[in-house]
Amino acid sequence: QVQLQESGPRLVKPSGTLSLTCTVSGGSISSSHWWSWVRQPPGKGLEWLGEIHPSGTTNYNASLKSRVSISMDKSKNQFSLNLNSVTAADTAVFYCARVDKLLGEYFFAYWGQGTLVTVSS
Amino acid sequence: QSVLTQPPSASGTPGQRVTVSCSGSNSNIGPNSVSWYQQLPETAPKLLIHSNNQRPSGVPDRFSGSKSGTSASLAISGLQSEDEADYYCAAWDGSLSGWVFGGGTKLTVL
Repeated sequence: QVQLQESGPRLVKPSGTLSLTCTVSGGSISSSHWWSWVRQPPGKGLEWLGEIHPSGTTNYNASLKSRVSISMDKSKNQFSLNLNSVTAADTAVFYCARVDKLLGEYFFAYWGQGTLVTVSS
Repeated sequence: QSVLTQPPSASGTPGQRVTVSCSGSNSNIGPNSVSWYQQLPETAPKLLIHSNNQRPSGVPDRFSGSKSGTSASLAISGLQSEDEADYYCAAWDGSLSGWVFGGGTKLTVL
């Protein structure tokens, strides 16, 4: 059973960089899946941030493209999120997820438990 | 403002059938499949329906999905108290080159 676990600082200062890592177990990150980050501000809905493929290809949310980057460390079976120039509006629960493909259709099949990151001085 | 439009709330009594709608456009739902996620309080989203109408193993057949044109729907029959949760639709948007979600629908079981 595939499991994903987010880790990283829970508190980030304004104008700083938010960095999170997702550790994957029960499966290889080098398998042909897209690996995504999704966030959810307190009391609000889900927002996709971006994704990475083992080939190195990335896709990012256009509204955040200048501030977000996603990378992958195959040796550690991890992928990471960096979000820079953060403000209080970036406070959210951050989820990592695996995108599966079945008969040509894509969907978020597995999710991490999520981690709350607060932006505050 | 979410790219996919869902009603903010829905409700029903135990045993009833309720539906949740998800409206999109020709750049997302029109050409691409829709998936639905259930988020119980204080938990991560869980895949409920994929490929418009396919249930993953373990999801009760009380849950069903459909799609027509640029809209999709989630139906829950035989409503149970444990169905009280937030429900989100999602689809790939070709114009944005990214995933888009609906704003979420909070389902209350009366």
